[in-house]
Amino acid sequence: KAGVTQTPRYLIKTRGQQVTLSCSPISGHRSVSWYQQTPGQGLQFLFEYFSETQRNKGNFPGRFSGRQFSNSRSEMNVSTLELGDSALYLCASSPNNFGGAQETQYFGPGTRLLVL
Amino acid sequence: AQSVTQPDIHITVSEGASLELRCNYSYGATPYLFWYVQSPGQGLQLLLKYFSGDTLVQGIKGFEAEFKRSQSSFNLRKPSVHWSDAAEYFCAVGAKPGGGADGLTFGKGTHLIIQP
Repeated sequence: KAGVTQTPRYLIKTRGQQVTLSCSPISGHRSVSWYQQTPGQGLQFLFEYFSETQRNKGNFPGRFSGRQFSNSRSEMNVSTLELGDSALYLCASSPNNFGGAQETQYFGPGTRLLVL
Repeated sequence: AQSVTQPDIHITVSEGASLELRCNYSYGATPYLFWYVQSPGQGLQLLLKYFSGDTLVQGIKGFEAEFKRSQSSFNLRKPSVHWSDAAEYFCAVGAKPGGGADGLTFGKGTHLIIQP
């Protein structure tokens, strides 16, 4: 079974631009979560989608948004990019509803975003 | 709010020696606990997880971890490290079902260096 895939793997943008990142979960997984990883703040939870609905959101400004499609693929969007948005963005998928006894999040390789 | 502390930013171990990486968590109820490993330029790979039951859990690559409720700890151990174990190790805590899934809360990570 193929793992979580993320596209693109690398991205360079300039301040003020917007960016869209894509995540394809493991086949059959319905929950997709996004995390931001930076050297200073570490790994931080952005949001989680389940059945096309955002169920949880971390402490990030409204410039960060996302959506999930009926096939469970997810996109996240960052508008009006700032230098501090430079980070590795990780997507993780799990079968149903993260938090269940048998749930585990499987992570993709990430998209590295550089904002100049 | 839940939190995870990994007290050691860097650890250097000789190849063949034993390893213990420390993790302390703060959470109001019984937590879901995880250890992930991240190699340079890669996403996160799950090493092991604790949900309930036996407090000593076995993972992949010869790793094990012990949940100690009285110490709020979930330390990772390996009896004999290999050069390929050099990586960043993250401890994480997640919410139980029904309590709201706020994503995983990660520690800052421990960078493991293997000396020949």
